[in-house]
Amino acid sequence: EAGVTQFPSHSVIEKGQTVTLRCDPISGHDNLYWYRRVMGKEIKFLLHFVKESKQDESGMPNNRFLAERTGGTYSTLKVQPAELEDSGVYFCASSQDFRVGSNYGYTFGSGTRLTVV
Amino acid sequence: EDQVTQSPEALRLQEGESSSLNCSYTVSGLRGLFWYRQDPGKGPEFLFTLYSAGEEKEKERLKATLTKKESFLHITAPKPEDSATYLCAVQARQVGNEKLTFGTGTRLTIIP
Repeated sequence: EAGVTQFPSHSVIEKGQTVTLRCDPISGHDNLYWYRRVMGKEIKFLLHFVKESKQDESGMPNNRFLAERTGGTYSTLKVQPAELEDSGVYFCASSQDFRVGSNYGYTFGSGTRLTVV
Repeated sequence: EDQVTQSPEALRLQEGESSSLNCSYTVSGLRGLFWYRQDPGKGPEFLFTLYSAGEEKEKERLKATLTKKESFLHITAPKPEDSATYLCAVQARQVGNEKLTFGTGTRLTIIP
């Protein structure tokens, strides 16, 4: 099966501009997650969609970040306006319903490296 | 707040030299502990999920174990292709929560 696809793979934008990242989850996966890794830090959770609904957005840093998942398929993460501290690698992951006891994990995409200059 | 600490930050081994990576965690009720492998420029690749103390899982040269406070990833007779960053993450047992809390990883280098 095709994996989680993210694009662009790299983006360089100027401070104050807008950037939109896209994630295509594995087909049939209702759960979609966004994570971010800033330089030298651990990967941190941003938010979780179940189909088109936001289940948990406790990790979103501020209102400059807007995530959408229209129709419960692909998702976009928009940063507007971008600030220098938004630089990092943004990962998307997807999963079927998680079942405790299974050897099951979340499938991650390769990420989008965002550089704000 | 859930927390994950991985050690060492970096580890260099000769090919065939076995060792262990450590993941210490604090979490408000553990639902699962996850191990991932990450290669440069790629996303994390799933290895194992552990759920309860005493559990062990194996895959090729890797074996993951779990206690109530930490997890170990044992690597036996590693090969150069095992070089990668190994990430540990925990998930708390809370209704509606599927957030993973990650550690900063251990960068493993296997020297031929």
